[in-house]
Amino acid sequence: KAGVTQTPRYLIKTRGQQVTLSCSPISGHRSVSWYQQTPGQGLQFLFEYFSETQRNKGNFPGRFSGRQFSNSRSEMNVSTLELGDSALYLCASSLMGTGGGNSPLHFGNGTRLTVT
Amino acid sequence: AQSVTQPDIHITVSEGASLELRCNYSYGATPYLFWYVQSPGQGLQLLLKYFSGDTLVQGIKGFEAEFKRSQSSFNLRKPSVHWSDAAEYFCAVGLNYGGSQGNLIFGKGTKLSVKP
Repeated sequence: KAGVTQTPRYLIKTRGQQVTLSCSPISGHRSVSWYQQTPGQGLQFLFEYFSETQRNKGNFPGRFSGRQFSNSRSEMNVSTLELGDSALYLCASSLMGTGGGNSPLHFGNGTRLTVT
Repeated sequence: AQSVTQPDIHITVSEGASLELRCNYSYGATPYLFWYVQSPGQGLQLLLKYFSGDTLVQGIKGFEAEFKRSQSSFNLRKPSVHWSDAAEYFCAVGLNYGGSQGNLIFGKGTKLSVKP
C-alpha cells in the first residue's frame, strides 16, 4: 500500500506570495492532519480534516488554511508568506483521527518551504 | 496545558550499547502515547504506541517503551543500538476531545548519534 505522498518536496517563495501544498493520504484513510516543523518550535499542529470537514485547528494565524476533497486528498495554503513560515510541512493520515484508538498517524516526507 | 518534555536534546551511544530516551508528559487523563523516529530529510515513522493495557509495549526495530503513570513517563529503550538507529526521536501525546481524536503534541526531540 502506498504511503502518504506530499508534493512538491521543495519550494522556494518570496515574502508576500502565497503557496499551496498537496497531500495524498494512504488509501482508505479519512483523516489528514498538517504539522509545521521548525528548529526553534519543533513540531506544531496546524489542523486536521476528516471527511472534508476541519475537525481541529492549532494556534496559527488565518493565513494558514486547508481543505480536504472527497477522495481525502488535502491541500494546505499559506497566504502572504513571511520569512518565519520557512519550515518543513508534514502531512499525516490516519483511519479515523489523529492519534487515538487504533489509528495512529502515518506521515509523509514533507514539503520543505523556504521563504526569501 | 498539555505538554511533552524530552530532557535530552542530544545523546551519543556506542554501537552495541543499550539506549534509553526519556519522555515526560503533562496531561490530566490517561493519554495516548507515541514514539516516532525521523531520519534526515524524511517524515516521521511510528516506532510504537500505548493506548491502554500492558504498560510495556513493543515496537518495530527492537524498540520498547514503558508507561509509568506515577512518573508521567514513557521512556523508550533498546538493548543494543545499531549504527542505523542514528536519527531524531520524538515522543508524542495524543489527546482525545470527545468524539474527535484531537491532535498530537510532540516533544522537542532527542537526536541520537551512534559511535562505531
